[in-house]
Amino acid sequence: ETGVTQSPTHLIKTRGQQVTLRCSSQSGHNTVSWYQQALGQGPQFIFQYYREEENGRGNFPPRFSGLQFPNYSSELNVNALELDDSALYLCASSNRVPYEQYFGPGTRLTVT
Amino acid sequence: AQSVSQHNHHVILSEAASLELGCNYSYGGTVNLFWYVQYPGQHLQLLLKYFSGDPLVKGIKGFEAEFIKSKFSFNLRKPSVQWSDTAEYFCAVKTDSWGKLQFGAGTQVVVTP
Repeated sequence: ETGVTQSPTHLIKTRGQQVTLRCSSQSGHNTVSWYQQALGQGPQFIFQYYREEENGRGNFPPRFSGLQFPNYSSELNVNALELDDSALYLCASSNRVPYEQYFGPGTRLTVT
Repeated sequence: AQSVSQHNHHVILSEAASLELGCNYSYGGTVNLFWYVQYPGQHLQLLLKYFSGDPLVKGIKGFEAEFIKSKFSFNLRKPSVQWSDTAEYFCAVKTDSWGKLQFGAGTQVVVTP
């Protein structure tokens, strides 16, 4: 059974640029959630995808967007990067029942 | 607004000591509760979960947690810690039907030999 994988591991971008982060869900899982974890804080929910549609969103602006593909993998896109977007971005996959989220290793984004 | 509070940000204890980490949430409806652990250099791992039934749940590596509905709490315990329990521990609450997790700020636990 393959776990949740994310790419890239690390990324450095300049303010104003755009970034795409990728996630492959654990085999058998159909739901993907994205979280932002700033240094010293717990993960903050960005949004969730189920059946290729956004299924819920946290308190993040529209410049954070995503996609889910037919194979349940997912992308997180962030436009017009700001310095405060520097964080660890976590992807988690799950099924509806039972609901347990399994996390990937994360992508460390640094915005300079 | 809903929130999850973890009482301690840092805990330092010796091997064989007992550990208890507090978690309180503010939500009056049905909740699912989780504890996750993040070992140094590793990703978040599910330690244990509560969905319904017996409020005392047992997880991996000798951890257990007790759900006290009247106190809106879900405290994590381990009777005797090991050096390998050094990690950051996160409490998380699910209140929506579709599965958003709300996390606490985490507690960094350091176990000294």
